[in-house]
Amino acid sequence: DTAVSQTPKYLVTQMGNDKSIKCEQNLGHDTMYWYKQDSKKFLKIMFSYNNKELIINETVPNRFSPKSPDKAHLNLHINSLELGDSAVYFCASSQDQGAGNTIYFGEGSWLTVV
Amino acid sequence: QKEVEQNSGPLSVPEGAIASLNCTYSDRGSQSFFWYRQYSGKSPELIMFIYSNGDKEDGRFTAQLNKASQYVSLLIRDSQPSDSATYLCAVGGQGAQKLVFGQGTRLTINP
Repeated sequence: DTAVSQTPKYLVTQMGNDKSIKCEQNLGHDTMYWYKQDSKKFLKIMFSYNNKELIINETVPNRFSPKSPDKAHLNLHINSLELGDSAVYFCASSQDQGAGNTIYFGEGSWLTVV
Repeated sequence: QKEVEQNSGPLSVPEGAIASLNCTYSDRGSQSFFWYRQYSGKSPELIMFIYSNGDKEDGRFTAQLNKASQYVSLLIRDSQPSDSATYLCAVGGQGAQKLVFGQGTRLTINP
C-alpha cells in the first residue's frame, strides 16, 4: 500500500479554471504538508496541517486553499489557475510537527496550466 | 541570501569513486539536517538525517555536519550508476516542522 497517495498524478488545465488535488496518508501521522516544486527543482513548503489544524502558511496566494477533513487527508484546491502555477505539487506527512521528524512524500501531481 | 544553498551541478563522478555533495545553511538555530534523493520524475526519498556535529555513516553513505561552519555534506562511497539522481539538502529548525530545501545537486555516475 502506498503510504502517501495523491490524485491526480497528471493534470492539464486551462488558465482561469479551478482544480483540486487530493492527498491521503495511511501512516497514522499527525502532520501533513503541501510542497511545490518548480521547473528549477526548487522544493518549497506551502502549507502544513497538524491534526486538521493549519500551522504553516507560507505566503501562498489565497487562490490556494488547503482543506483537511481529518488528519489522514489534506486536499489542495486552486482557484483561477495561472500559468505560473504550473509545477509539481507534493503532498507529504510526518509523525508530528516536531523538528527532526522525517517527512514522507507522495508521488507528486504534475500540474500544467495552458 | 538563500536559506539553504547547494551547487546545482551537474556533478560527474566515475563509477566506484567517492561522490561529495555539499550544502550550507544560513539559520544558526537549525536543528535537523536531511539528505533526500530524487530520481527524475519521482518524489524525494530520505537517504539520511543527522542532528549532531560529526559524521554519521549508513552503508555507502556518510553525512557530515559542522554547525559552527553551518555546513552539511553527503559522501557516497563506491558510487554506482544507480546513484545518479538529484540530491536535496533539507534543514529544519525548532518548533513547527518546516523543512527548507536547497535547490538540489544533480549527480551523474559515469560507468
